Parts: sequence; structure tokens; C-alpha cells
Amino acid sequence: QKEVEQDPGPLSVPEGAIVSLNCTYSNSAFQYFMWYRQYSRKGPELLMYTYSSGNKEDGRFTAQVDKSSKYISLFIRDSQPSDSATYLCAMSATGGGSEKLVFGKGTKLTVNP
Amino acid sequence: EAGVTQFPSHSVIEKGQTVTLRCDPISGHDNLYWYRRVMGKEIKFLLHFVKESKQDESGMPNNRFLAERTGGTYSTLKVQPAELEDSGVYFCASSLLTSRETQYFGPGTRLLVL
Repeated sequence: QKEVEQDPGPLSVPEGAIVSLNCTYSNSAFQYFMWYRQYSRKGPELLMYTYSSGNKEDGRFTAQVDKSSKYISLFIRDSQPSDSATYLCAMSATGGGSEKLVFGKGTKLTVNP
Repeated sequence: EAGVTQFPSHSVIEKGQTVTLRCDPISGHDNLYWYRRVMGKEIKFLLHFVKESKQDESGMPNNRFLAERTGGTYSTLKVQPAELEDSGVYFCASSLLTSRETQYFGPGTRLLVL
């Protein structure tokens, strides 16, 4: 069983739609959860960072963590064509800056104008 | 502030040749990581430097891979001899020593072994 599972998609939605992306994980030691966005031919860039369970909102983006279910989500409201990218979930046990990240495969999202 | 830079951006070599990838982290970042993404798979950790010391090299696939970080600044990853399965995108990331937050990624080096 992989440590992190993420549906690779692809996912195609119309502009303005609400997008839901999610990952499941098996390692209960994970406490730090991240969402990265990766545009084509670029490196991953941090989008959202959460510690332990709960919600975090940043503009049109909301990250949710449910540690009891080992399930994390990223919601994008009022999606825009510029949101078209691959979204990667990543996790670590002791802090994303100080140890290796474990990634999901990434979900490729296309937002159609 | 300059981000993480990697060189070259692309490399095409033949099986059995040697390739050296370079990563320049963000200035002041003592943590430096190498990751690799093979086609169709997730990004996987290779190794982690703290300054010039290897903190964790559990992800290195075999002894054909050699990573160095002289003086705790830039890092190189050498593959010798390269095999077909080494093809993929190699990412470098860096972070502050005391950071509990994220790592900052470079654009990657796309390696194709023919």
C-alpha cells in the first residue's frame, strides 16, 4: 500500500466551478500536510500548509485535514483558467521544512473558460 | 530574492554515460533535498543535506548515484553510469534550518537516458 494515494485525474471543469481535490494516507505519523501547485515545465510551488487536523482558508483556496480518516482535501472556489495545473499533496511527520516530503501522484486540473 | 536554481534544465545522454546535475539553493537555506519523478509515478525523495552533511540518504536508489554538497552551498548529483530507468525529472528543494514549513523547489532537470 502506498503511503499517499491521490487520484491523478485528469479533472476538467468549467470556469467558476468549485473544485475538490483529495488525498488519503496510511502513515498515522504524518502531522504536516501541504498542497503544491505545479505548472507545466515548472517546479512545485507551495499553495497551502496545514498542521494536524482542521481547516485553513486562503482566498479561494481551503485546505481540510481529517486525521481520524487519514484524508485531506483542497477546495478551489470560483475556479479560473489560471488554476489549470497539477496539484500535489505532500506530507511529513516532523515538519515540511526539516524532513523529506512524501507526495501523492498529483491531480491534473484543467479549468475551461 | 532568487529561488532555487538547477542546471542543466534538460540532459539527454546515452546509457553508460555520466551526468552531473547541479542545484543552487536559496541563500541561507541549510536544508537541501533531492527528489526524482519518474514518468507516471509520484515525486520521490532521494536525499537530504543539512549544510554539507548527509542527513538522510535513504531514498538513493543505488551506488550509481553520488550526491555532494561542498561547503554547504550548492549541491551536485552525479549518475554514473546512467541506466535507462534513471530517466525522469530531478528536483532540488531547500529550506531554512529551523523551518517547520515548506521546502522551496527548483524547476527541475529533465534527464533522458537513451
